[in-house]
Amino acid sequence: QKEVEQNSGPLSVPEGAIASLNCTYSDRVSQSFFWYRQYSGKSPELIMSIYSNGDKEDGRFTAQLNKASQYVSLLIRDSQPSDSATYLCAVTNSNSGYALNFGKGTSLLVTP
Amino acid sequence: GAVVSQHPSRVICKSGTSVKIECRSLDFQATTMFWYRQFPKQSLMLMATSNEGSKATYEQGVEKDKFLINHASLTLSTLTVTSAHPEDSSFYICSAGIPRGGAEETQYFGPGTRLLVL
Repeated sequence: QKEVEQNSGPLSVPEGAIASLNCTYSDRVSQSFFWYRQYSGKSPELIMSIYSNGDKEDGRFTAQLNKASQYVSLLIRDSQPSDSATYLCAVTNSNSGYALNFGKGTSLLVTP
Repeated sequence: GAVVSQHPSRVICKSGTSVKIECRSLDFQATTMFWYRQFPKQSLMLMATSNEGSKATYEQGVEKDKFLINHASLTLSTLTVTSAHPEDSSFYICSAGIPRGGAEETQYFGPGTRLLVL
């Protein structure tokens, strides 16, 4: 199983700050990259998807992908306490039938 | 759009019984559905890929005779945990894919089913 690595955290940021979440992956043929948010006891919710190098912005969220470095990140601007959750990085490729390969997740805590 | 439902949301059963979990895509057709399992404090682990009209593809270490998957239609896949034991207690989550272009899909998750085997 190819690896998807995330720092487990917890990452603690004050309300209003920028939270930066990082993810590296080992499979160079990975094609699609996703960030999911998972609240305790709930299923994952898709936050962002990114498929090509560069930045992709959606509201307060920005995903960044660097395929050469095998690195994908998620920035959360103006962090809110409601953003406190576990953020899961996931990658897919055609060889795996596009099944999601998840990292273990980073726990984010936004303090008021 | 992109709503996936699961039923039941929670089930408690005695050891040795079988439990069926349904996964439905409510507003789209899903050629492929995926079944994941998540133990406490761990990430999601793919159990199997379910394709409409064909046999499921199971991940290494997942017993196909214990975890029966049926993808009867483009909107329904079921997972049956047969002869459940306490070690099968977990959070079972399905996902369904919406094609993005070509064969690639974006997956949306159901709310999950929490199984407790006594």
